[in-house]
Amino acid sequence: QKEVEQDPGPLSVPEGAIVSLNCTYSNSAFQYFMWYRQYSRKGPELLMYTYSSGNKEDGRFTAQVDKSSKYISLFIRDSQPSDSATYLCAMKPGRRALTFGSGTRLQVQP
Amino acid sequence: NAGVTQTPKFRILKIGQSMTLQCTQDMNHNYMYWYRQDPGMGLKLIYYSVGAGITDKGEVPNGYNVSRSTTEDFPLRLELAAPSQTSVYFCASSDYSVETQYFGPGTRLLVL
Repeated sequence: QKEVEQDPGPLSVPEGAIVSLNCTYSNSAFQYFMWYRQYSRKGPELLMYTYSSGNKEDGRFTAQVDKSSKYISLFIRDSQPSDSATYLCAMKPGRRALTFGSGTRLQVQP
Repeated sequence: NAGVTQTPKFRILKIGQSMTLQCTQDMNHNYMYWYRQDPGMGLKLIYYSVGAGITDKGEVPNGYNVSRSTTEDFPLRLELAAPSQTSVYFCASSDYSVETQYFGPGTRLLVL
């Protein structure tokens, strides 16, 4: 079993839709949770970062962590074609290395 | 500010050949990382470094070597290329806030 599971998609939605992206994990030591966005043929870039359980909002993006269920989510409101990318969840315990999910490919149709 | 730069962008290698993937960052970050990304498999950590002269293995180090003689540079060496090393390689750097890693544009490597 992988430490971090993420549905690869692709997920196709119309412009303006609310998008929900999710990851589940098995390592209860994970404390830091991140979402990276990766455009085609580019390196990933950090989108959101949360520590422990709870919600964090940044513009159209909301990150949610439920440690009791070992489940994290990223919500995108009013999705735009420019949001079309692969979204990678990442997490880590107290030490240095990040563990990445395999990524979900999102396509927002105009 | 160039951020993290990687060369080459693309390379084809024959089995058994060697090559070095170059990575340079201009953000004065102490931490640097090498990942490989295979289709549908996410990013896997190959090696990382917490400062000049200090390197450590990640999840998939076999077949690779690294060195860190300066803060800016973190080259990745493939000694005997194998088809299983066909992948996209990303270099990244961060300060002590490991969560915020800055990635380079990647090197696509094909081993035939």
